[in-house]
Amino acid sequence: GNSVTQMEGPVTLSEEAFLTINCTYTATGYPSLFWYVQYPGEGLQLLLKATKADDKGSNKGFEATYRKETTSFHLEKGSVQVSDSAVYFCALSGRNSGNTPLVFGKGTRLSVIA
Amino acid sequence: DAGVTQSPTHLIKTRGQHVTLRCSPISGHKSVSWYQQVLGQGPQFIFQYYEKEERGRGNFPDRFSARQFPNYSSELNVNALLLGDSALYLCASEVVGETQYFGPGTRLLVL
Repeated sequence: GNSVTQMEGPVTLSEEAFLTINCTYTATGYPSLFWYVQYPGEGLQLLLKATKADDKGSNKGFEATYRKETTSFHLEKGSVQVSDSAVYFCALSGRNSGNTPLVFGKGTRLSVIA
Repeated sequence: DAGVTQSPTHLIKTRGQHVTLRCSPISGHKSVSWYQQVLGQGPQFIFQYYEKEERGRGNFPDRFSARQFPNYSSELNVNALLLGDSALYLCASEVVGETQYFGPGTRLLVL
């Protein structure tokens, strides 16, 4: 079945540091890939998405590229801020099968210190 | 535009009780999905409904049930609550085949 594996946290960075959170997936067909962010005490917010190979999703300085050859969708940001502290979830949806439930990784907690 | 709304925000129940959680989708969204997020884990899919019919079901026991109403709002029901049902329950709505947008969740504590 479909699955997502993302790097274990927590990740602690100083403000303005470079961020990478690794995400790899296993899926049949051609899934859509997502990064969601969860701030303390809140639900999930869509951060970015990519629907086909080599697509790059971007939002708020975050980027991720859909790499079919390595089945990866790593999240990057060039300069993190304290306000980026949150839990980040990588997810996929096997849309080509007509079934849209999201499959999530376990999440990576990011703490940015000033 | 209003986002996905859920009620209540917090709930405390005891083992063996029943609970009903409610969700209103974004206007124009006809599909609603429910997810369970246990502390420290990613959300797990429970149900998807579209046009009042069940479209998909995750690996959850029959104690979990749901329905969707003509206005596309939805309820999630859990019977015979167990301690392990304590979690954040998330509702997401979408135009089918597009991105899912999540509500703030209902935090359920079972004592």
